[in-house]
Amino acid sequence: SAVISQKPSRDICQRGTSLTIQCQVDSQVTMMFWYRQQPGQSLTLIATANQGSEATYESGFVIDKFPISRPNLTFSTLTVSNMSPEDSSIYLCSVVRTGSNTEAFFGQGTRLTVV
Amino acid sequence: AQSVTQLGSHVSVSEGALVLLRCNYSSSVPPYLFWYVQYPNQGLQLLLKYTSAATLVKGINGFEAEFKKSETSFHLTKPSAHMSDAAEYFCAVTTPGGSARQLTFGSGTQLTVLP
Repeated sequence: SAVISQKPSRDICQRGTSLTIQCQVDSQVTMMFWYRQQPGQSLTLIATANQGSEATYESGFVIDKFPISRPNLTFSTLTVSNMSPEDSSIYLCSVVRTGSNTEAFFGQGTRLTVV
Repeated sequence: AQSVTQLGSHVSVSEGALVLLRCNYSSSVPPYLFWYVQYPNQGLQLLLKYTSAATLVKGINGFEAEFKKSETSFHLTKPSAHMSDAAEYFCAVTTPGGSARQLTFGSGTQLTVLP
């Protein structure tokens, strides 16, 4: 398995501000993903964080709103920009270990409340 | 295209009773299937996975699931519920050779265990 440390674990933010969420993995991984889990709903993939290149965003998500960094094979950040109450969700970092292209591991999530 | 349907957003069982959480999938090719559990304020943890080997898959914490192609189902069971099993459970599907980016989650089932 992979040990994933995600922080902050929770935050309450004012609308119009930005929050950067960090994801640290205990080993090098090929693929890192960011998910959003809105209240009472399932997980929706925001983007794939690619090391050394721009992230790949899913339909409905854009770089200006959710900029992502992936400076190396063990670390990534997701920023939620210009927040509104609709951004209140749990944001989850996920990784797939090198050599396994289907088994995903998850961080504990960041519970974001925008007021 | 692939999808997962979890029947029942909330399931309640008594402690010691059988746990049955239902998952039906749709996939144009033979799928890989997963069950994840999410405890309060935590990320997702893999319970078990089916990757085209044995159709009866045993996972952690006494859970198991059976892949039934004829019924396109992958229901999760546990013979005797424990209070610590109270959590949200997600079924997920992807395709062999597909990346974790193509992991599709169901809407989740909240399991409550009554004393």
